[in-house]
Amino acid sequence: GENVEQHPSTLSVQEGDSAVIKCTYSDSASNYFPWYKQELGKGPQLIIDIRSNVGEKKDQRIAVTLNKTAKHFSLHITETQPEDSAVYFCAARDNYGQNFVFGPGTRLSVLP
Amino acid sequence: DSGVTQTPKHLITATGQRVTLRCSPRSGDLSVYWYQQSLDQGLQFLIQYYNGEERAKGNILERFSAQQFPDLHSELNLSSLELGDSALYFCASSGGQGNQPQHFGDGTRLSIL
Repeated sequence: GENVEQHPSTLSVQEGDSAVIKCTYSDSASNYFPWYKQELGKGPQLIIDIRSNVGEKKDQRIAVTLNKTAKHFSLHITETQPEDSAVYFCAARDNYGQNFVFGPGTRLSVLP
Repeated sequence: DSGVTQTPKHLITATGQRVTLRCSPRSGDLSVYWYQQSLDQGLQFLIQYYNGEERAKGNILERFSAQQFPDLHSELNLSSLELGDSALYFCASSGGQGNQPQHFGDGTRLSIL
């Protein structure tokens, strides 16, 4: 089955700097890669996703890149703000929609 | 606001007991998913229902069961509770029958004493 690894497990950046979180997946049949943000006391919130026919997707300060050959994808947050502090989860879903696996999460702290 | 409602927010009980967690999906969503989140296990998929029928099963223990009712709300039943069942339980919903959860509730925190 699918296995998703995520690095780093914790990340601290200064406000205004960029943050990058990387995930790797094992199943080459995976074709959908969402990212979730979980704030303290809340459930995960879908913030951006990318499908395998696209190499990059942007939404304001957030971008996701995908390298299907290397089987890894990354979340990029630019001009970080204190409200970006949260736990971020990547996930991968296979082509048949049968296998949807979360990464272990990255705790991002944006220091003022 | 995700539109997914989970009750109760907190639940404290003892080992050996049985509890029921309730979830109302976002309006219009037909799929409901249940996840368990503990400190050392991340988000573990338990089970998915689509329009009343079981759609996919994950790492759900035999002591746990779930169902989705005609009005699309779902209940997760946990029995013979053990200390290790203490965790956050999340419900999520989506419109289709594919297994990609889109909208998460804020969870039920279950503490076993």
